Amino acid sequence: KAGVTQTPRYLIKTRGQQVTLSCSPISGHRSVSWYQQTPGQGLQFLFEYFSETQRNKGNFPGRFSGRQFSNSRSEMNVSTLELGDSALYLCASRSGAGTEAFFGQGTRLTVV
Amino acid sequence: DQQVKQNSPSLSVQEGRISILNCDYTNSMFDYFLWYKKYPAEGPTFLISISSIKDKNEDGRFTVFLNKSAKHLSLHIVPSQPGDSAVYFCAASGYQGGSEKLVFGKGTKLTVNP
Repeated sequence: KAGVTQTPRYLIKTRGQQVTLSCSPISGHRSVSWYQQTPGQGLQFLFEYFSETQRNKGNFPGRFSGRQFSNSRSEMNVSTLELGDSALYLCASRSGAGTEAFFGQGTRLTVV
Repeated sequence: DQQVKQNSPSLSVQEGRISILNCDYTNSMFDYFLWYKKYPAEGPTFLISISSIKDKNEDGRFTVFLNKSAKHLSLHIVPSQPGDSAVYFCAASGYQGGSEKLVFGKGTKLTVNP
């Protein structure tokens, strides 16, 4: 069974640009969550999608948005990039509530 | 409001000894707890979990203990190996505000010295 796949693995963008990250969950998993990891801040929750609907949202500005497609694949978009958006962005999929989340390798975003 | 807290940012132990990583939570609605291990530049990998109906779960060298009255859980690694050096995240799952949430702590960096 293929794991969670995130693309691209690495990305360098300029301040003010926008970026779209992609996540393909494990087959059969309908829940996809996104996290931002920065040094010292752990895994900060961005949002969760389930069956194409945003189910939960973290405390991030509106520049961060996401969506989920009918095949459960998810995309995350960050507009008007700031230097502080440089981080490892992780996607995780779950089969349902009360189960473990499986993470992708992450996308390392660097904003210059 | 940090609902899952890992108060030790780092821990250093000698190879062969026991590593004990601690985690506290504030929300009594959490009923499922997990530990993840993360190497640099990789995604976290699931290690072990425990349901709130249990107080201990063991898997090889890894044991998780849950003390519900204290809202505290711990991960014991015995014996510790250099390959265990990584960041360990504690996570808690439960229903809040009508939806199920999975909340992570900030992590503890474990270093196992040969």
